[in-house]
Amino acid sequence: EAQVTQNPRYLITVTGKKLTVTCSQNMNHEYMSWYRQDPGLGLRQIYYSMNVEVTDKGDVPEGYKVSRKEKRNFPLILESPSPNQTSLYFCASSFHVGTTANTGELFFGEGSRLTVL
Amino acid sequence: GESVGLHLPTLSVQEGDNSIINCAYSNSASDYFIWYKQESGKGPQFIIDIRSNMDKRQGQRVTVLLNKTVKHLSLQIAATQPGDSAVYFCAEPKGSNDYKLSFGAGTTVTVRA
Repeated sequence: EAQVTQNPRYLITVTGKKLTVTCSQNMNHEYMSWYRQDPGLGLRQIYYSMNVEVTDKGDVPEGYKVSRKEKRNFPLILESPSPNQTSLYFCASSFHVGTTANTGELFFGEGSRLTVL
Repeated sequence: GESVGLHLPTLSVQEGDNSIINCAYSNSASDYFIWYKQESGKGPQFIIDIRSNMDKRQGQRVTVLLNKTVKHLSLQIAATQPGDSAVYFCAEPKGSNDYKLSFGAGTTVTVRA
């Protein structure tokens, strides 16, 4: 089954304790992206990757790191989490985003709800 | 600055009626626009997209209309069903970068039985 898998789905942690949210897709997609979703603010892009070893900042990258060592995986790293990073996080992937191919059909994971105390 | 916004945060619809969800955008250079649906506890799901050189596109029970003159996008759902209850987002490329998608805050659609 084609899917984007995130882990963990739920996590409660404390300020400053490094954590990683994993994301894996089995569709051989080139493009992957991380979003956070907060009430009233919609989805905001954190980082994205156009292919292996190619990553770039989205709108709210502060406090986050990513890596793309393999095509299927795109982990989100919070080196020193803070309470303002309490949010619902979504990983998404697509063959291509843009005008030359599909127009942005992103496949989203089920989300990871993170609480930082 | 660029923004994608929805006119109303909530919409209540009688089952069987048609739903219209609106979205205003500000990036005139966007080449395409997308609608996503997010059911409770799930990730967003692609519904339909439309390129900027089109005025209308139809899918299964959904129609997206694009009015570039007033920078307005709408999603029409025909014969709304209980399964259509969800949050609906419109999205567009941010600036000239197709890889950065900007999402609106969403409209919550509730279908009344």
